[in-house]
Amino acid sequence: GIQVEQSPPDLILQEGANSTLRCNFSDSVNNLQWFHQNPWGQLINLFYIPSGTKQNGRLSATTVATERYSLLYISSSQTTDSGVYFCAVEETSGSRLTFGEGTQLTVNP
Amino acid sequence: DAGVIQSPRHEVTEMGQEVTLRCKPISGHDYLFWYRQTMMRGLELLIYFNNNVPIDDSGMPEDRFSAKMPNASFSTLKIQPSEPRDSAVYFCASRRGGTLNNYGYTFGSGTRLTVV
Repeated sequence: GIQVEQSPPDLILQEGANSTLRCNFSDSVNNLQWFHQNPWGQLINLFYIPSGTKQNGRLSATTVATERYSLLYISSSQTTDSGVYFCAVEETSGSRLTFGEGTQLTVNP
Repeated sequence: DAGVIQSPRHEVTEMGQEVTLRCKPISGHDYLFWYRQTMMRGLELLIYFNNNVPIDDSGMPEDRFSAKMPNASFSTLKIQPSEPRDSAVYFCASRRGGTLNNYGYTFGSGTRLTVV
């Protein structure tokens, strides 16, 4: 099956700092999503981004499908950004999301 | 739309008891997925349905686990008998099929299961 690798595994920031999270995947995909799992365990869909660039407030994402990677940018981070960020992909050959292991983000005040 | 609705939010049960988790997908979504999240294995797919029909149950850990989707608005995941190693957060997700899917998968809030 497809492999999804996220980096870094852990990230600690001071409030106001910017960060970039990376997701590499091993095969062609139909779908790529970024999720934020908040401290209450909810999986919040941030972006549906199989290709191209999208922005939503302080967050933006870029997927370069031909090179099999995606980036999530967080600018002016806030303590509420803390949690685990997951990248998940859907292979062209199937109808399922395969998740990476996540990046644990801690934003300190 | 209220999103994907799961119940209960938390379940604590004794080993050997039957556990039933419930999910209501988003109206109009024709795919439904059950995922399990543990510290050791991360988020893994258990089973998914398309138009109420089970398509792939290869992720179901063993015969103690079963899932049904009797209609387009309801699915259950049952564990009988439950064991402590089944303790995890179980997520249900749904999505539209084909070219109508412009938003990807939507996840419910999960059911945190503890088997003691």
